[in-house]
Amino acid sequence: EPEVTQTPSHQVTQMGQEVILRCVPISNHLYFYWYRQILGQKVEFLVSFYNNEISEKSEIFDDQFSVERPDGSNFTLKIRSTKLEDSAMYFCASRRQGVHEQYFGPGTRLTVT
Amino acid sequence: SQQGEEDPQALSIQEGENATMNCSYKTSINNLQWYRQNSGRGLVHLILIRSNEREKHSGRLRVTLDTSKKSSSLLITASRAADTASYFCATDAGANNLFFGTGTRLTVIP
Repeated sequence: EPEVTQTPSHQVTQMGQEVILRCVPISNHLYFYWYRQILGQKVEFLVSFYNNEISEKSEIFDDQFSVERPDGSNFTLKIRSTKLEDSAMYFCASRRQGVHEQYFGPGTRLTVT
Repeated sequence: SQQGEEDPQALSIQEGENATMNCSYKTSINNLQWYRQNSGRGLVHLILIRSNEREKHSGRLRVTLDTSKKSSSLLITASRAADTASYFCATDAGANNLFFGTGTRLTVIP
């Protein structure tokens, strides 16, 4: 069964560094999402992406964040200058046209020190 | 915030018993979805109920939706140890961006 994959599974970085989290959505899916979950808290919507552009973004998704689909398979989330409070689990999700169900990847645990 | 709370925060039951989790939300929705998360893993979609539906079944899962009260419940019947996980409701206001609740941590004791 096809699944969403994410790399790396765990990323440790120093405050102020740039990080890129990578996702490979399911191949026939057209809508892509990033969510984050700070330890012990709820899953929060960051951004949605369709047709090579951002559809919607939350207040969390400020100028430090960007997303890109550099080729036909990868979907990336970049944080330009990480802060301690960016430490969280980041989940990528994708879905097909006409279907509401989203398929989530296993997540990348980002630790900012 | 579009999402409210889920209760209980934690639920511990014996295998074979039923588990009921509740979810409240704040805004109008297009649909409400329930997801499951095993510890440290991604979320898995369980069931979706549209705003014009009141009840939906899928295997051992039963979901209800009361839009007048802005609430939903998830019932897992005849629970199994493998059902141990966190369960989240997520609302979709129509843009297909999901807003999650705080989750219920379910423990099923063998």
